[in-house]
Amino acid sequence: KAGVTQTPRYLIKTRGQQVTLSCSPISGHRSVSWYQQTPGQGLQFLFEYFSETQRNKGNFPGRFSGRQFSNSRSEMNVSTLELGDSALYLCASHRDRGSSSYNEQFFGPGTRLTVL
Amino acid sequence: EDKVVQSPLSLVVHEGDTVTLNCSYEVTNFRSLLWYKQEKKAPTFLFMLTSSGIEKKSGRLSSILDKKELSSILNITATQTGDSAIYLCAVSGTASKLTFGTGTRLQVTL
Repeated sequence: KAGVTQTPRYLIKTRGQQVTLSCSPISGHRSVSWYQQTPGQGLQFLFEYFSETQRNKGNFPGRFSGRQFSNSRSEMNVSTLELGDSALYLCASHRDRGSSSYNEQFFGPGTRLTVL
Repeated sequence: EDKVVQSPLSLVVHEGDTVTLNCSYEVTNFRSLLWYKQEKKAPTFLFMLTSSGIEKKSGRLSSILDKKELSSILNITATQTGDSAIYLCAVSGTASKLTFGTGTRLQVTL
């Protein structure tokens, strides 16, 4: 069974630009969560999507947005990039809420974003 | 706001030693506690503990959840250099989002 895939793996952007990151969950998983990991703040929750709907959102500014497609693939977008957005962006795949293993989240390899 | 505190922040042991990593939490409507191992890449899932499954074991790794003390421990016996990593503890409450601790950095030396 293929794991979570994320593209691109590395990205370099300049301040003010925008970026789109992509995540494909494990086959059969319909929920996708996004996290930002930085040395200073650790892993922080961005948002969660299920069945093309955002179900939960963390404490990030509106520049951070996401969406999910009918095939469960998800994208996140960051507009007007700032230096502080440099981080490892991780996508996690998990089962439906009705599943007893719903909270088991499996991470993709991440996209390392550098903002210059 | 949900909160997870891990201790120690870092640890250096010799190969063959046994280590215990600690995690304490505050969460609204606790659902589960998860342990992850992170090397130079994304976190790898180790265990999930819930009210109905407070002990888990896999090889040399084991974990226990103490719901009364709002804490968990991760034990690693007969450590190997390949166990060197950051170990992350996370909890989920009413929402499915995971709140992570800052991790314990474990270094196993020869």
